[in-house]
Amino acid sequence: DAEITQSPRHKITETGRQVTLACHQTWNHNNMFWYRQDLGHGLRLIHYSYGVHDTNKGEVSDGYSVSRSNTEDLPLTLESAASSQTSVYFCASREDMNTEAFFGQGTRLTVV
Amino acid sequence: ILNVEQSPQSLHVQEGDSTNFTCSFPSSNFYALHWYRWETAKSPEALFVMTLNGDEKKKGRISATLNTKEGYSYLYIKGSQPEDSATYLCARVGSQGNLIFGKGTKLSVKP
Repeated sequence: DAEITQSPRHKITETGRQVTLACHQTWNHNNMFWYRQDLGHGLRLIHYSYGVHDTNKGEVSDGYSVSRSNTEDLPLTLESAASSQTSVYFCASREDMNTEAFFGQGTRLTVV
Repeated sequence: ILNVEQSPQSLHVQEGDSTNFTCSFPSSNFYALHWYRWETAKSPEALFVMTLNGDEKKKGRISATLNTKEGYSYLYIKGSQPEDSATYLCARVGSQGNLIFGKGTKLSVKP
């Protein structure tokens, strides 16, 4: 069965370190998204991509970057982790604008 | 309304009660509206994708309606069960094709 997976599921890192969260989907979806979930804010869009080599900034993109070198993967990098980036991160993919999004299991990141 | 607003923020009902919640969004430049169900410690799962004014969709005891002219959608749950306890998210599709989520309505159903 096709799926979308995130790794790691949990990570603790120190302030200032570079961290990369992986997202891999097997649906061959062109559209992929990264969200963060925080109390009182719901899901906020960090970055998104509509195909290989395409990346776009979302609502809360500062301090994050993504790259899309193939259809299946959209890794999210925190260039220099900050305590404000402690959050739960969700990756999602979908076929096109009028279809549902499928979400990964989430990655809980703690920056200490 | 610039973003997606959901009300109420939380809701507590008894098993067997029927309930509904609201999602409001900008009525201009409408593309599509999504509803998701999000159980604690799991990932959001799609319930409905709605694109046309007047759309009504149903999945078991859950149904949704869409009014794009006035910018709102209702989600109804008939005869709530404890397993319906979850956060219900709606999201509008933005002009860039991205999904813009509301903060959700957290439903708790007591046996």
